Amino acid sequence: EAGVVQSPRYKIIEKKQPVAFWCNPISGHNTLYWYLQNLGQGPELLIRYENEEAVDDSQLPKDRFSAERLKGVDSTLKIQPAELGDSAVYLCASSLEGENTEAFFGQGTRLTVV
Amino acid sequence: AQKVTQAQTEISVVEKEDVTLDCVYETRDTTYYLFWYKQPPSGELVFLIRRNSFDEQNEISGRYSWNFQKSTSSFNFTITASQVVDSAVYFCALTPLGGANNLFFGTGTRLTVIP
Repeated sequence: EAGVVQSPRYKIIEKKQPVAFWCNPISGHNTLYWYLQNLGQGPELLIRYENEEAVDDSQLPKDRFSAERLKGVDSTLKIQPAELGDSAVYLCASSLEGENTEAFFGQGTRLTVV
Repeated sequence: AQKVTQAQTEISVVEKEDVTLDCVYETRDTTYYLFWYKQPPSGELVFLIRRNSFDEQNEISGRYSWNFQKSTSSFNFTITASQVVDSAVYFCALTPLGGANNLFFGTGTRLTVIP
């Protein structure tokens, strides 16, 4: 069974440019998460979806970040415009609904803003 | 508020040595889940264990064991007879019951196993 798939793996852009990351969760997983991982730090939640609904986006910087999960399957995270401080790894994870489940993570997209 | 502290930033051991990774947490919730994840150089986080706050029994899985002590708010992870393939960054994390897997991670411990 395929795991969580993210693309691209690496992205280098100039500051002020837009960028988008794509995530395809494990089949059947209703819940999808985007996490931000800065260098040397643990991941921090940006947004959580239950199906197509964003149920927790309190940590998403909404002035420049946006996300969507239109059909409740794959998801896109966008930054516009990117800033130097956005350089980090963006991790996507998915899980089944409910408490007694674990989240499975993709390999992440490493963004470098120059 | 939730907080997870992994005081050990980096640890190096020689292959076959035992190593313990420390995790201390803070939460006001009375019920919660604790996790350990492994992050190898490839980047994905690999789930190792989930433990709920009701269950303080220690757990062993092969060379891995976990010691949960609610009285000291600690959830330590021991690797016995370490191997080079154990080299990775290890994260401890917490989510409150009802937190729907919104994981609060520590800063990680980088383990290097020297052959």
